[in-house]
Amino acid sequence: EPEVTQTPSHQVTQMGQEVILRCVPISNHLYFYWYRQILGQKVEFLVSFYNNEISEKSEIFDDQFSVERPDGSNFTLKIRSTKLEDSAMYFCASSVRGGRSNEQFFGPGTRLTVL
Amino acid sequence: KQEVTQIPAALSVPEGENLVLNCSFTDSAIYNLQWFRQDPGKGLTSLLLIQSSQREQTSGRLNASLDKSSGRSTLYIAASQPGDSATYLCAGLIGSNYQLIWGAGTKLIIKP
Repeated sequence: EPEVTQTPSHQVTQMGQEVILRCVPISNHLYFYWYRQILGQKVEFLVSFYNNEISEKSEIFDDQFSVERPDGSNFTLKIRSTKLEDSAMYFCASSVRGGRSNEQFFGPGTRLTVL
Repeated sequence: KQEVTQIPAALSVPEGENLVLNCSFTDSAIYNLQWFRQDPGKGLTSLLLIQSSQREQTSGRLNASLDKSSGRSTLYIAASQPGDSATYLCAGLIGSNYQLIWGAGTKLIIKP
């Protein structure tokens, strides 16, 4: 069964460093998403992406963050100059459709630890 | 502001019991609702998706219902097993932004 994959599973970085989290969505999906979950807190929406551009983003998704689909398979989340509070689990998701019919499929997550 | 609330935050029951987890949402403009399972430190496993036009979905021992008018969804787990122990999250696709809005989860412990 097709699934969303994410690498790495765990990333440790120093405060101020840049990190890139990678996702491979399900191959026929057109909509892509990033969410994060700070330990002990709710899952929060970061950004949605369709047709090579951001469709929606939350207040969390500020200039520190960027997303890219560099080729036909990968979808990346870049965090510039990481802060301690960026430590969280980051989930990628994809869906065939957008709008009200979308069912999102999630990857296993990348645990980001900022020291 | 759209909110999804899950009560209780934690639940501990003996093995074999049937149980119900609750999820409520503030916006009746909900397009679908998904239930997920999350094991400690792990990812999100989708259990059931209910479209707004549906009233319930079933998968094995799990049954999820959706009542838009009352702003509630329930996840029914029959004949609970220790392997069902996990945190159960509900998330609603709500509002004009079509974003998933998440509950905080119910941590379920099934005692052998």
